[in-house]
Amino acid sequence: EVQLVESGGDLIQPGGSLRLSCAASGFNVSSSYISWVRQAPGKGLEWVSVTYSSGTTYYGDSVKGRFTISSDNSKNTLFLQMNSLRAEDTAVYYCAREIGFSSHLDSWGQGTLVTVSS
Amino acid sequence: DIQMTQSPSSLSASVGDRVTITCRASQSIASNLNWYQQKPGKAPKLLIYAASSLQSGVPSRFSGSGSGTDFTLTISSLQPEDSATYYCQQSYSTPRTFGRGTQVEIK
Repeated sequence: EVQLVESGGDLIQPGGSLRLSCAASGFNVSSSYISWVRQAPGKGLEWVSVTYSSGTTYYGDSVKGRFTISSDNSKNTLFLQMNSLRAEDTAVYYCAREIGFSSHLDSWGQGTLVTVSS
Repeated sequence: DIQMTQSPSSLSASVGDRVTITCRASQSIASNLNWYQQKPGKAPKLLIYAASSLQSGVPSRFSGSGSGTDFTLTISSLQPEDSATYYCQQSYSTPRTFGRGTQVEIK
């Protein structure tokens, strides 16, 4: 069974850093495409990034230069390193597997909450 | 970036009604359009991919159509469990933008 579990969300001060984890089971992260999507409280979905199996990552404009992706294949886990955090980064962060010719997100984690506040 | 315009932003309908939600892309995205359902406090769930393909396990009352710039999600006979917010997303290019969502309420 395909499963994704996010962790690492916390209350962090503006300007701080945080690393989120996305642990996968039922498939290999290293040979898959993984996206991050976030949702601010009471708002809609915002696409954050997609990482291809080649290692190439694309980021949304709002996080480019501040967020980076890394992975630990031995733990089948992807990480989202978030630096220079702002209040507007406050959101539930989801990781999801992207598959198929239409690049759809077929499996999602339960999400982890990041709150940026002083 | 490709902008996705979804309408309406909310609707209220009765059980058994036919419900239609539209999504328009700011440029052609071929059939690279996906629909998700999200219930409060839950992760989104894939309903339709590639504009018209039904995800496994999703009830057949859900259907999608369209190509190019104009797309539609239809619920043929609304059920109480369909109360949720629905999002379209283009997967033609990065950034993979979402529509703003349509909140569906049961009368």
